Amino acid sequence: AQSVAQPEDQVNVAEGNPLTVKCTYSVSGNPYLFWYVQYPNRGLQFLLKYITGDNLVKGSYGFEAEFNKSQTSFHLKKPSALVSDSALYFCAVRRLGHTGKLIFGQGTTLQVKP
Amino acid sequence: NAGVTQTPKFRVLKTGQSMTLLCAQDMNHEYMYWYRQDPGMGLRLIHYSVGEGTTAKGEVPDGYNVSRLKKQNFLLGLESAAPSQTSVYFCASSYPTSPEQFFGPGTRLTVL
Repeated sequence: AQSVAQPEDQVNVAEGNPLTVKCTYSVSGNPYLFWYVQYPNRGLQFLLKYITGDNLVKGSYGFEAEFNKSQTSFHLKKPSALVSDSALYFCAVRRLGHTGKLIFGQGTTLQVKP
Repeated sequence: NAGVTQTPKFRVLKTGQSMTLLCAQDMNHEYMYWYRQDPGMGLRLIHYSVGEGTTAKGEVPDGYNVSRLKKQNFLLGLESAAPSQTSVYFCASSYPTSPEQFFGPGTRLTVL
């Protein structure tokens, strides 16, 4: 069965420190991978995607993600966290040729403290 | 461009009542989706559509119906609401050739 796992319900970091939000997936074939962010009482906003090519993908607001095929992981990273990065982050995967349907992880709350 | 809009933003229903949630997009996207978001479960796909006049079931379709009479609109209906349908509902849309989806602001539904 296809699945996406975000093993941490919450990640706490101090402002200015690097952050990592973890994601692993179980999907056959070569999937598309995504990160979305959700601020309180808002819809999801697209952050970045991996389709093919360089394993390090850069996205919005200084975020990047590293694709690791052997570990089936797609961890979200940022070198220096901001308080305004505090939000709910979702990893998602889409199987090629499956009409755009996304499978989401359960979400990780990022709390950045001043 | 407004992007993806959803109406209403909030709604409270009694068990057994019916309602329709409206999603509209002005990006000329072919694909549209309805998700529900529940704490600790991420987003789950209810129904989706790959074009005007076509719909298909997603992961959790029971208790919901949809219609896509116009390309820009995707309606989600609850014929007889149940407390288990208390959730936040998100609509999204995308191009067939572009993998990212664009989301609306959500509808918070409470069924008493």
